[in-house]
Amino acid sequence: QKEVEQDPGPLSVPEGAIVSLNCTYSNSAFQYFMWYRQYSRKGPELLMYTYSSGNKEDGRFTAQVDKSSKYISLFIRDSQPSDSATYLCAMKDEGFQKLVFGTGTRLLVSP
Amino acid sequence: GAVVSQHPSWVICKSGTSVKIECRSLDFQATTMFWYRQFPKQSLMLMATSNEGSKATYEQGVEKDKFLINHASLTLSTLTVTSAHPEDSSFYICSAPMRREIGYNEQFFGPGTRLTVL
Repeated sequence: QKEVEQDPGPLSVPEGAIVSLNCTYSNSAFQYFMWYRQYSRKGPELLMYTYSSGNKEDGRFTAQVDKSSKYISLFIRDSQPSDSATYLCAMKDEGFQKLVFGTGTRLLVSP
Repeated sequence: GAVVSQHPSWVICKSGTSVKIECRSLDFQATTMFWYRQFPKQSLMLMATSNEGSKATYEQGVEKDKFLINHASLTLSTLTVTSAHPEDSSFYICSAPMRREIGYNEQFFGPGTRLTVL
């Protein structure tokens, strides 16, 4: 079993839709949870990070962490064609710098 | 945000040759940098942790004699793929952490280097 599971997609939605992306994990020591966006043949860029459980909102993006279920989500409201990319979840435990990544979900937003 | 650069962005080489990839933190210092490999439609797999002034730490299954890492300064780490073979063709990405708050260092990623071995 992988430490972090993520559906690779692709996930196709029309412009304006609400997108839900999620990951599950098995290591209860994880405390920091990140979402990265990666465009084709580019390095990942950080969208949001959350410490422990809870919600965090930034513009059209909302990150949720449920540590009791070992489940994290990223919601994108009013999705745009420019949101088309691969979204990677990543997580780490306290004190360590190493990130453990999910496989990434490819999102396609059609105009 | 901080900037991490990589050079070259794309390299094609013949089988058996060595290729060096540079990773630089442009506006901050990094005592640690990370090297990842990403195959098409797959996630980032950590290869090694580069430590300034000391030996790199390699992940299980990564050949340290094949993937040589040198972290010569606080802003530069290099990855050399020695005796490259076609199966080494991949997208290599580095990252450097910068302290954001206690317990959390944000990882800034380079743009990646696409290696094609013929």
